[in-house]
Amino acid sequence: QKEVEQNSGPLSVPEGAIASLNCTYSDRGSQSFFWYRQYSGKSPELIMFIYSNGDKEDGRFTAQLNKASQYVSLLIRDSQPSDSATYLCAVNMNRDDKIIFGKGTRLHILP
Amino acid sequence: EAQVTQNPRYLITVTGKKLTVTCSQNMNHEYMSWYRQDPGLGLRQIYYSMNVEVTDKGDVPEGYKVSRKEKRNFPLILESPSPNQTSLYFCASSQRDSSYEQYFGPGTRLTVT
Repeated sequence: QKEVEQNSGPLSVPEGAIASLNCTYSDRGSQSFFWYRQYSGKSPELIMFIYSNGDKEDGRFTAQLNKASQYVSLLIRDSQPSDSATYLCAVNMNRDDKIIFGKGTRLHILP
Repeated sequence: EAQVTQNPRYLITVTGKKLTVTCSQNMNHEYMSWYRQDPGLGLRQIYYSMNVEVTDKGDVPEGYKVSRKEKRNFPLILESPSPNQTSLYFCASSQRDSSYEQYFGPGTRLTVT
């Protein structure tokens, strides 16, 4: 069974601090990794994607990928109350074009 | 404006009454997909399509059908809906390259009584 695991949270982080969200996946052949943000009652929106080992930065967001350990993480610097949402990790199991989502981590930024 | 549209946004129906949820995208994307989202179970892929006339099962295809006769449209069909198909449904599309950066529609909340 191909799986993507996330801690469901809630993860509470003070405003201005770094929020760290983690995700592990079971299929070692996975190629593409995504972080989506979903506000309550809204559809998911893509915020980061990463394919290669290492870090990828985009503004306040940094995605980190370690294929050997099969985990991908998302760091949010200078956390803002508007970052409070559920963050979904998604993995492309490249062999068959399926996309598997984790169940999401609820992030709460404390003002 | 680049977008994925779904209709209807809300639907209440009865067990066994066939229904179709439409999905359309205007970005010329090859890849389209349907998901259902349930509390505690997350987002699960129902069916996906890599291009016109090419569809494949996701993780939870039972009770659903899809078709891809045109590149822009990817309807989801429930031939005989049951209460366990009550859920929030999302359609998504992306380019089919190495990225699969999916754009999601606004969602359809379906209730089957």
